[in-house]
Amino acid sequence: DAGVTQSPTHLIKTRGQQVTLRCSPISGHKSVSWYQQVLGQGPQFIFQYYEKEERGRGNFPDRFSARQFPNYSSELNVNALLLGDSALYLCASSSDDANQPQHFGDGTRLSIL
Amino acid sequence: SQQGEEDPQALSIQEGENATMNCSYKTSINNLQWYRQNSGRGLVHLILIRSNEREKHSGRLRVTLDTSKKSSSLLITASRAADTASYFCATAARGAGSYQLTFGKGTKLSVIP
Repeated sequence: DAGVTQSPTHLIKTRGQQVTLRCSPISGHKSVSWYQQVLGQGPQFIFQYYEKEERGRGNFPDRFSARQFPNYSSELNVNALLLGDSALYLCASSSDDANQPQHFGDGTRLSIL
Repeated sequence: SQQGEEDPQALSIQEGENATMNCSYKTSINNLQWYRQNSGRGLVHLILIRSNEREKHSGRLRVTLDTSKKSSSLLITASRAADTASYFCATAARGAGSYQLTFGKGTKLSVIP
């Protein structure tokens, strides 16, 4: 079975631009979460979606938004990019059981120039 | 913000030795999970321990959890060069936030052949 897939793998943008990152969860998983990992730090929670509804939001500005589609895939959008948005963006999917692990994709490396 | 703190930040050992990493956290949890991350890649789930469990084993991995001290440890026995990676603990809070993992900064493990 395919794991969590994310696209694109790498992305270079300039300040002020907008970016859309994509994620396909493991088949059968209805929950998708997004994390930001700055170099040298642990991942930080951005959003969680379940059945197309936002279930949780981390401490990120409104420039960050996300959505989940009927096939449970998800997009993360970031507007008005800042240099500090340079990071590895990770998507994780899980079943509807909080005592099951989250499965991570390999991430999208976003660089802001 | 990071809730967990891993200790040590970096660890270098010889192949065949055991590696122990510790994690402390601040709030009540539903479960605690350990993940491994190879350089620049996604996170790989290693083991999940629920708040009512004290110890769990998986292959060469042994995890303990002390909820009274809000701490956990990960022991890797008979380490191999392939174990070289960063290791993160992540906590899942109780209730509505149970899908939102809060990560520490990680322990960077180097296993010297």
